[in-house]
Order: sequence, then C-alpha cells, then structure tokens
Amino acid sequence: NAGVTQTPKFQVLKTGQSMTLQCAQDMNHNSMYWYRQDPGMGLRLIYYSASEGTTDKGEVPNGYNVSRLNKREFSLRLESAAPSQTSVYFCASSGLAGGLGQFFGPGTRLTVL
Amino acid sequence: SQQGEEDPQALSIQEGENATMNCSYKTSINNLQWYRQNSGRGLVHLILIRSNEREKHSGRLRVTLDTSKKSSSLLITASRAADTASYFCASNTGNQFYFGTGTSLTVIP
Repeated sequence: NAGVTQTPKFQVLKTGQSMTLQCAQDMNHNSMYWYRQDPGMGLRLIYYSASEGTTDKGEVPNGYNVSRLNKREFSLRLESAAPSQTSVYFCASSGLAGGLGQFFGPGTRLTVL
Repeated sequence: SQQGEEDPQALSIQEGENATMNCSYKTSINNLQWYRQNSGRGLVHLILIRSNEREKHSGRLRVTLDTSKKSSSLLITASRAADTASYFCASNTGNQFYFGTGTSLTVIP
C-alpha cells in the first residue's frame, strides 16, 4: 500500500517549457487535490477533483491544467512554465470530500529558470 | 484570499514542555484539521474537529474550536524532540481546504 505517489521528485525547467506532474493513489479515494507550497504562504489549492470525471479550480489555478485520468490518477500540467511557478507541489487525496483527513504525497520540487 | 493564519510563526521550547499554537480562519467550516510537516516531507494528518465540536483529544494532542471567533488551537503536551516540525491548520468547506501559514515548532532536547 504505497498511499499517494508523485513523480518526479525534482525538476528544473526553463521559462516557456512545459511539463506534467503525475500523482497516483491506491486508497480508492474519490477526491484528489493539487497544492503548491511557497515559503511563508502555507499550502494553496490549485485544482481539485471531487470524483472521477470532475475537476474544479481552487484558489490559484492560473497557468495550470489538470486531468483526472481515472480514479487513481490526477495529473497537473504546466503549459508554459514561468519563474513564478517555482514552488513545491503536493498532491493529496481524501476518501470523503473533506470529511476525513487528506493523505499527501512526498512533493515535487520545481524550479523554473 | 481565504488562507488562514497561524501564530506564533515560530515556537521554541524545551523537551517536556507544552506547545500551544493558534489558528484563525475566514469562512464557515464543516471541520478544521491539523497537519504536521517534517522538513522536506509531505503533510501528515493529525486530528480533525467538526464544526459542532468544541474540544477533541488524541493522545498528547488537544484541539479546541471556537466557531464564533473563527479560531482553533492545538496543544501538544509533554513535547518530545520528535515533535519538531511545522504545524498547519486547514479549514474545510466541503470540497476545498484552506491552509494556514503554519507554525514552526522546535523542541530542544
């Protein structure tokens, strides 16, 4: 039982490049989330998916797109990376929408030059 | 921004002492949750308190909730060096979570 896994762990991009962050969970959770964490800012929600087939914007969605590929997988795409997107990205999942705690992946540290 | 705030931002105590951190949030909530984050790791869920509860205990953790003041506190009793981490509150409004800015706790052996 791996919980929530994320790939890659680290990534360096140049401005304008694109990439996709992958997330998978094996807990049969309905809800999945993408957050970014910046120093002194705590975590901010980028996008979430309350169930397979649905996605919704969070607090800071600009510059990102998501895909809920199936119940297990939720990917985050940066189409044209900008230095402001340098951050640590966390994926999380939850069994009930907010009803129980979230389970977090180990994070992806992204630097955009 | 719906992001909450926590205070203090940083707290340093001796092993065995109690640590108290506070959280304020901005919206009506279904529940409020506390998480711990060790350096370089993901967040780990500690405890959840529902909006109709005022106090909850789990081991050495005690959480209080005051919905009229939109605030919560986390008390860690008899702290240990292993409790050194950042602690975040998260207010839950159904599908979304709004995290506080975190308290960095250092427990000195």
